[in-house]
Amino acid sequence: NAGVTQTPKFQVLKTGQSMTLQCAQDMNHEYMSWYRQDPGMGLRLIHYSVGAGITDQGEVPNGYNVSRSTTEDFPLRLLSAAPSQTSVYFCASSLDRDEQYFGPGTRLTVT
Amino acid sequence: AQKITQTQPGMFVQEKEAVTLDCTYDTSDQSYGLFWYKQPSSGEMIFLIYQGSYDEQNATEGRYSLNFQKARKSANLVISASQLGDSAMYFCAMGSMDSSYKLIFGSGTRLLVRP
Repeated sequence: NAGVTQTPKFQVLKTGQSMTLQCAQDMNHEYMSWYRQDPGMGLRLIHYSVGAGITDQGEVPNGYNVSRSTTEDFPLRLLSAAPSQTSVYFCASSLDRDEQYFGPGTRLTVT
Repeated sequence: AQKITQTQPGMFVQEKEAVTLDCTYDTSDQSYGLFWYKQPSSGEMIFLIYQGSYDEQNATEGRYSLNFQKARKSANLVISASQLGDSAMYFCAMGSMDSSYKLIFGSGTRLLVRP
């Protein structure tokens, strides 16, 4: 099992550009989440999904879209990148109510 | 609303000694879960230990134990016999029992283990 994979590892965008951060898991987990981590802070929840076709907003959803067409994939779209979205983005998945498995993260810089 | 507070931005511990990382939480939920994650300098999030609010015994995983005091709303992480590889950021997090995929994180504690 590869676990939770994220691509790309690093990305630099200009203000106003759009892009999609990819997240995939091969553990057949129902639950998937996206978090962002700003310097010196803990992770904050952006969006989450409780199964294919079902998504909802977390604590900081503005400027991001998600969809979940399959159990395996949960992409995060930045609609129009802003410098405030410079962060490290983590995708996570879980099967049940305990441990979340995190991907390696994507470091995004918006100039 | 749920909230996690970690009041120790940074801590030192001597190798082979035990260390306690503090975590207090606030929630109106009756059922919830508390988690600790380790983030080394390489950046990945590593799950360490989980405690459910209805678990009567404190959780233990190898050298990690969770000192759960429900009345005080605290969930401190105890690392015994510290190793140099324990140097990292440590995050406390919580989620409702029926939705622990929506975690609230504290701001973290940076632990440095001295040889």
